[in-house]
Amino acid sequence: RKEVEQDPGPFNVPEGATVAFNCTYSNSASQSFFWYRQDCRKEPKLLMSVYSSGNEDGRFTAQLNRASQYISLLIRDSKLSDSATYLCVVPGNTGFQKLVFGTGTRLLVSP
Amino acid sequence: EPEVTQTPSHQVTQMGQEVILRCVPISNHLYFYWYRQILGQKVEFLVSFYNNEISEKSEIFDDQFSVERPDGSNFTLKIRSTKLEDSAMYFCASSEGQETYEQYFGPGTRLTVT
Repeated sequence: RKEVEQDPGPFNVPEGATVAFNCTYSNSASQSFFWYRQDCRKEPKLLMSVYSSGNEDGRFTAQLNRASQYISLLIRDSKLSDSATYLCVVPGNTGFQKLVFGTGTRLLVSP
Repeated sequence: EPEVTQTPSHQVTQMGQEVILRCVPISNHLYFYWYRQILGQKVEFLVSFYNNEISEKSEIFDDQFSVERPDGSNFTLKIRSTKLEDSAMYFCASSEGQETYEQYFGPGTRLTVT
């Protein structure tokens, strides 16, 4: 299994829709997980951190399934401004804070 | 809100030339990083830096690369002799401490090697 694996998409959804992305990871010892958002040719921006079973912030919910080693990101009531690439990120297994990025899932929200 | 800054935003250089990319991490952060992203590919870790020394580096970070914190605010990445394949976006990031994995990224420097 790859360190971090994501469906590249694109996911095309209308405004107001609910969309979910999944991500699988290989390091069963990982204790923290992140979703970053990246707009075209911009830096990754931290969207959510997940340290236990899940986290919720407004329209965004992240859930962690340790047994199956996957993390999901749910976006409710999609906005046009949610169009971006969503990066699943886990720490490396060396304990020195290296982050390992997935290839990202592209989301396109249309009017 | 504090943020990581990077200069220049775009650097064009000829193959074989040395380049220095500059970063100012968030002021109370202790851990600093460089990542790169080749166009169309994923973000890749290069190096982490703590307490004035490299704590981890990737296979990409070979002898052509070096990092330095020359003063209390700047964090630099030097590429000694650039190659065409070094063309990428280089992101600096910083984090607060050992227990906090959350890393905050600067806007990046686009390096183009011709």
